[in-house]
Amino acid sequence: NAGVTQTPKFRVLKTGQSMTLLCAQDMNHEYMYWYRQDPGMGLRLIHYSVGEGTTAKGEVPDGYNVSRLKKQNFLLGLESAAPSQTSVYFCASSYSNTDGLNTDTQYFGPGTRLTVL
Amino acid sequence: QKEVEQDPGPLSVPEGAIVSLNCTYSNSAFQYFMWYRQYSRKGPELLMYTYSSGNKEDGRFTAQVDKSSKYISLFIRDSQPSDSATYLCAMRQSGYSTLTFGKGTMLLVSP
Repeated sequence: NAGVTQTPKFRVLKTGQSMTLLCAQDMNHEYMYWYRQDPGMGLRLIHYSVGEGTTAKGEVPDGYNVSRLKKQNFLLGLESAAPSQTSVYFCASSYSNTDGLNTDTQYFGPGTRLTVL
Repeated sequence: QKEVEQDPGPLSVPEGAIVSLNCTYSNSAFQYFMWYRQYSRKGPELLMYTYSSGNKEDGRFTAQVDKSSKYISLFIRDSQPSDSATYLCAMRQSGYSTLTFGKGTMLLVSP
């Protein structure tokens, strides 16, 4: 199993450009998450999905859109990139459960380093 | 005030030392508590998991939760250079699907 993979690993954008980050998981997880990690700010949740066809906003959703058309994929889009979106983006997935270890064990991808000039 | 507070460090210790990492939180509804470990330029991975109050031990690692004080700790005994990483606490309310993370504490264990 590959676990959680992210594409691309690195990207440099100019202000105003758009791009899509792809997250794929092969563990049949229901839940998927997109985070950004910035120095001194920790992990902040952008959007998440609790199942195919569903999405919800996290702590910092502005400037991002997501889609979960297939259970194994979770896409993060930047329609008009801004320098403030320079960050490391992590995707994660987990099993669903009403409560407990399964839900809280999030499996993270290796990250995408995005620079917006 | 952020919901979860964690000293960013870095915390530098010699090999073999006992390490104590801590988080405080403000939301008394948190019931599930985790410690994730993140090596440089990698994604986080779950290290310890505790439900409600109490202690949990796994090898050299012990997690403690004191809900009355809204305080959680991770202890590392006989620390090794391979323990050098950033440690993030995380917590969740019952019925919620998302975790709230601390900012992480960078730990450096020197040989």
